[in-house]
Amino acid sequence: NAGVTQTPKFQVLKTGQSMTLQCAQDMNHNSMYWYRQDPGMGLRLIYYSASEGTTDKGEVPNGYNVSRLNKREFSLRLESAAPSQTSVYFCASSRGRGAYEQYFGPGTRLTVT
Amino acid sequence: AQSVTQLGSHVSVSEGALVLLRCNYSSSVPPYLFWYVQYPNQGLQLLLKYTTGATLVKGINGFEAEFKKSETSFHLTKPSAHMSDAAEYFCAVSDTGNQFYFGTGTSLTVIP
Repeated sequence: NAGVTQTPKFQVLKTGQSMTLQCAQDMNHNSMYWYRQDPGMGLRLIYYSASEGTTDKGEVPNGYNVSRLNKREFSLRLESAAPSQTSVYFCASSRGRGAYEQYFGPGTRLTVT
Repeated sequence: AQSVTQLGSHVSVSEGALVLLRCNYSSSVPPYLFWYVQYPNQGLQLLLKYTTGATLVKGINGFEAEFKKSETSFHLTKPSAHMSDAAEYFCAVSDTGNQFYFGTGTSLTVIP
């Protein structure tokens, strides 16, 4: 099992460019999540998908969109990148809510210039 | 909403010394509690979790944590630090909802 995979690993964008971060899991998990990690701020939830076909906003959704393509895949799109979106992005998945732990991908390091 | 406070953004210990990383949470309902570890340039890995039952939870790599409801705490300990324990540690809380709430992390340095 690969677990949670993310592509790309690194990306540099210019302000105003768009891109999509891809995430896939092979654990048959129902729930998937996108976080951003910034120094001194821990992990902040951008969007999550409790089950296939549903998505909900997290703590910091502005400037992002998501698509739960199927049970395995959950993508994050930046329509018009801004320097404030420079961060490390993590995708995670879990069997469900509450007591179930989340499994994390290796992250995507994004720089917006 | 839940919140998690990790006291001390940086902790240094000598190799072989006790490791104590503090976590306090606020929750209006019985929580589920987690500790994760992040090594440089990697994702987060689960160390241990508390859901129900025994309040002292043992995890991987010799770590353990105790859920103390009266103190709303879930501190992480290891009796003897090893160089390989140097990493960032995150406490997280969940309830019956869909979201995790993470603390801001504690960076552990182990001094040889």
